[in-house]
Amino acid sequence: DGGITQSPKYLFRKEGQNVTLSCEQNLNHDAMYWYRQDPGQGLRLIYYSQIVNDFQKGDIAEGYSVSREKKESFPLTVTSAQKNPTAFYLCASSTGDGFYGYTFGSGTRLTVV
Amino acid sequence: QKEVEQNSGPLSVPEGAIASLNCTYSDRVSQSFFWYRQYSGKSPELIMSIYSNGDKEDGRFTAQLNKASQYVSLLIRDSQPSDSATYLCATFSGGYNKLIFGAGTRLAVHP
Repeated sequence: DGGITQSPKYLFRKEGQNVTLSCEQNLNHDAMYWYRQDPGQGLRLIYYSQIVNDFQKGDIAEGYSVSREKKESFPLTVTSAQKNPTAFYLCASSTGDGFYGYTFGSGTRLTVV
Repeated sequence: QKEVEQNSGPLSVPEGAIASLNCTYSDRVSQSFFWYRQYSGKSPELIMSIYSNGDKEDGRFTAQLNKASQYVSLLIRDSQPSDSATYLCATFSGGYNKLIFGAGTRLAVHP
């Protein structure tokens, strides 16, 4: 079955540590996205990529980095510069124009310890 | 002004009733609108999309769009306890590469 796989499901980060969240899709979608969700809030866009080897900052990109070396993969690194990283991170993908909406992975819950 | 606004709820309805969820948006050129359902601790799931004024029905769900009033709604008929979730309204901002979401309305369907 086609879908988006995010791993790990739960992640704990120590202060000053970088961590990488994995996102893989087999939907043959061109575009991929990373969102952050805080309790009681909607989703906020961190980064997005419409084609391989290209990506753009979303609304809250500070403290995050991404790469898009393969069509299927769009990993997100939460750097030590992100001062409040505890949140639910969601990866999504879509056809190139996104006209039919986005499909989401199951999410990664990141906690700072 | 937030780009997509929803009442956070909770909206509480009895089983079998019609649940009405509302959403307003600020970008007059928005063309595509989506409703996602999100169960607690889970990721959002697309349940309805609507692109033109009027109603669109899919099973127990009806989406309504009024572009002149910048208003989109979701009706759930014969509400079931399994419909209890947060419903997120979304539309594109600045092109199709940026889907923006409201904060969501929490729906509680009680037996």
